[in-house]
Amino acid sequence: DQQVKQNSPSLSVQEGRISILNCDYTNSMFDYFLWYKKYPAEGPTFLISISSIKDKNEDGRFTVFLNKSAKHLSLHIVPSQPGDSAVYFCAASAYSGAGSYQLTFGKGTKLSVIP
Amino acid sequence: DVKVTQSSRYLVKRTGEKVFLECVQDMDHENMFWYRQDPGLGLRLIYFSYDVKMKEKGDIPEGYSVSREKKERFSLILESASTNQTSMYLCASSLRNTGELFFGEGSRLTVL
Repeated sequence: DQQVKQNSPSLSVQEGRISILNCDYTNSMFDYFLWYKKYPAEGPTFLISISSIKDKNEDGRFTVFLNKSAKHLSLHIVPSQPGDSAVYFCAASAYSGAGSYQLTFGKGTKLSVIP
Repeated sequence: DVKVTQSSRYLVKRTGEKVFLECVQDMDHENMFWYRQDPGLGLRLIYFSYDVKMKEKGDIPEGYSVSREKKERFSLILESASTNQTSMYLCASSLRNTGELFFGEGSRLTVL
């Protein structure tokens, strides 16, 4: 059963407009959420994260919003740039024992920013 | 900067061959992970390790094994490769008590 869901496999946005990528989760034990960006033939790179005690975290053009009651988070990119075209993975973290955390990933959303 | 290095970017193997994928990290991270990425399926955890000589099964361990003899090195082994193991394999590491993973560039394995 998928614990982290990204229901949109793909998204196309015009350059300069806002991109909104959505993610839903089911496990209430998740307490830390991350977004990763992945270009073809490269490993994912960390983009931005948010702790469950916050509802918003901003870093430049990227903002992540967390709605705990709805078990929903979203990544906003403003303004979108062609270089943002990539696959974006939502991930959620829960304590898994032995002092460590384990990430569960969504299936990803492919963002295409059209010049 | 954290560096996670995977030994081979591209490999082509035949069905039944034994395959070794090596991963080395240089930041003294306790945790190391192997994922595979397939279109439409996202990142799926194969195995992970919290310490030397320690390993835990992830979500899809069947057909794989791992070895962690040194803290900085985590190897993924396919004892007898099959065509359904054609995939992008990603190694990652993290510090204990954090959820943030640092990924290698990936190894694209094709099994013929």
